[in-house]
Amino acid sequence: DAGVIQSPRHEVTEMGQEVTLRCKPISGHNSLFWYRQTMMRGLELLIYFNNNVPIDDSGMPEDRFSAKMPNASFSTLKIQPSEPRDSAVYFCASNRGTSDSNEQFFGPGTRLTVL
Amino acid sequence: KNEVEQSPQNLTAQEGEFITINCSYSVGISALHWLQQHPGGGIVSLFMLSSGKKKHGRLIATINIQEKHSSLHITASHPRDSAVYICAVGDFGNEKLTFGTGTRLTIIP
Repeated sequence: DAGVIQSPRHEVTEMGQEVTLRCKPISGHNSLFWYRQTMMRGLELLIYFNNNVPIDDSGMPEDRFSAKMPNASFSTLKIQPSEPRDSAVYFCASNRGTSDSNEQFFGPGTRLTVL
Repeated sequence: KNEVEQSPQNLTAQEGEFITINCSYSVGISALHWLQQHPGGGIVSLFMLSSGKKKHGRLIATINIQEKHSSLHITASHPRDSAVYICAVGDFGNEKLTFGTGTRLTIIP
């Protein structure tokens, strides 16, 4: 199994540009999570999906952020327009979701730098 | 919202030493996770536990539900154990995790 796949691994962009991060969860996993990690705030949940449906997006910082999961094998996190304070490492994770906590498998992350 | 605190924030030890990292939380949880983040940035799940104790090789995790406290122990520590160790707790009825700020462990040969 290839594990959780994220692309790109690194992204450098200028303020105001649109950024799209992509994630392919592990086959058979039905929950998908987007996290952001910064030095100041550590790891934070942005949004998670179960069976392709957004369950909790309370961590999405503002309207500039949006996430979609059109099918069980693909999700995107979009930032439009991007700002320097969005610079962070964005992780995607997946698991066999149930009503409570289960072990999560993390992707390698996308390091985003907004100039 | 659960508050998760880890201690110490940084820990440096000699190879072979017994290591203990602590995690406390403020509200009842469905499970507690210990994660390891390597210097290259990748995150790996080490343990998920809701009671008692679990052991994988040289790593042992314990949890005391009444005291809302967990510990991660490493026996016979090795330089390859150098990493950031992160505690995370799960809510009841959903899959949200709240994370501690991590403990940076450095093992010196």
